[in-house]
Amino acid sequence: DAKTTQPPSMDCAEGRAANLPCNHSTISGNEYVYWYRQIHSQGPQYIIHGLKNNETNEMASLIITEDRKSSTLILPHATLRDTAVYYCIVRALRGTYKYIFGTGTRLKVLA
Amino acid sequence: GAVVSQHPSRVICKSGTSVKIECRSLDFQATTMFWYRQFPKQSLMLMATSNEGSKATYEQGVEKDKFLINHASLTLSTLTVTSAHPEDSSFYICSADETGGTEAFFGQGTRLTVV
Repeated sequence: DAKTTQPPSMDCAEGRAANLPCNHSTISGNEYVYWYRQIHSQGPQYIIHGLKNNETNEMASLIITEDRKSSTLILPHATLRDTAVYYCIVRALRGTYKYIFGTGTRLKVLA
Repeated sequence: GAVVSQHPSRVICKSGTSVKIECRSLDFQATTMFWYRQFPKQSLMLMATSNEGSKATYEQGVEKDKFLINHASLTLSTLTVTSAHPEDSSFYICSADETGGTEAFFGQGTRLTVV
């Protein structure tokens, strides 16, 4: 079973920041938080991952709470092309490599 | 980033026939690859873990004799759906981790329709 819970859907106005929350209260000390997104009928696309520090790349920022039980993916200036299903996944880098997908959040960016 | 390529992207086959789907890591070596299936409006469900040079590890409830996986080299894994039936119609996706890397890369998926 997936170790993460996410809201099923969210809307965001184009040009505004999209903040996608994820709960992972049973995360282990060696597990990372990964975010992927899936645009309709395509394979998932890697966005970002982190262990405990906040991370930022050209696509997004990842904010992980100090207790690591939850995180937020931030798309700073959402565009219509960001409409997708966003998946938050926890995974260790050693031992069990499997990605177990939860239900994800369907983000709709509105013009 | 690294590229994982699946072939074919779409396939239609007759009930009772077998279909092979290829997953290639184009610019990196992958000791481990994963196979998923996805039904409409549902999440990805992990089917099996494919290990180069050894037998695949199947998730509970996945029939290993129906979904044959072969990982003959560090850049190629294949999934063969044997004796396909309409209920096997789905979106099949593979992913690969670069050896020593930190994130998986996913193929573009294969849409299988069994008629």
